[in-house]
Amino acid sequence: DIQMTQSPSTLSASVGDRVTITCRASQSISSGLAWYQQKPGKAPKLLIYKASSLENGVPSRFSGSGSGTEFTLTISSLQPDDFATYYCQQYNSYSWTFGQGTKVEVK
Amino acid sequence: QVQLQESGPGLVKPSETLSLTCVVSGYSISSGYYWGWIRQPPGKGLEWIGYVFHTGTKYYKPSLKSRVTISVDTSKNQFSLKLTSVTATDTAVYYCARAPDQWGQGTLVTVSS
Repeated sequence: DIQMTQSPSTLSASVGDRVTITCRASQSISSGLAWYQQKPGKAPKLLIYKASSLENGVPSRFSGSGSGTEFTLTISSLQPDDFATYYCQQYNSYSWTFGQGTKVEVK
Repeated sequence: QVQLQESGPGLVKPSETLSLTCVVSGYSISSGYYWGWIRQPPGKGLEWIGYVFHTGTKYYKPSLKSRVTISVDTSKNQFSLKLTSVTATDTAVYYCARAPDQWGQGTLVTVSS
């Protein structure tokens, strides 16, 4: 399986902060990467697909970049609704895998 | 509007078979996309179990492959998960999904005697 490693595991931030989460793949996955947001007790919500394409209805403060083995999710100005856990997921190989998650918490 | 809804027992005994069904509304399974199952143990991260393409091609996570079966019933527009010989480590919230964009709400399955 391709291993996906997210950093940091936990991120403390304030409303208005610019937030960046990194996801590294153990081998090249081209642009086969998605980002999800999950809140407690809820299903994950797709934010970004194909590494940098914004899902319909997702606020433009979310953006994704990268290709190959290194990817980032950026929130340009953190809003109260953005405190959640974020997961990357690769789907370049047949064996899809998630990162371990990054919890964005209130500083 | 696409909706997915999981159903099945919330409690399964060790060594028995976990069976879940996902009913899809608002989109025909046979029209496209990948359809699959993901689980999340309490307090932990997400894990893909397997998925089926609308053509019928299936893929299972290698470490679960010997115990997992995903089947599709296009006449009912639903797909199912069977996981055999369960243990406590299979306790999790199980989600069905249309990859990558639509997920069910999830259902907690506890493995306990």
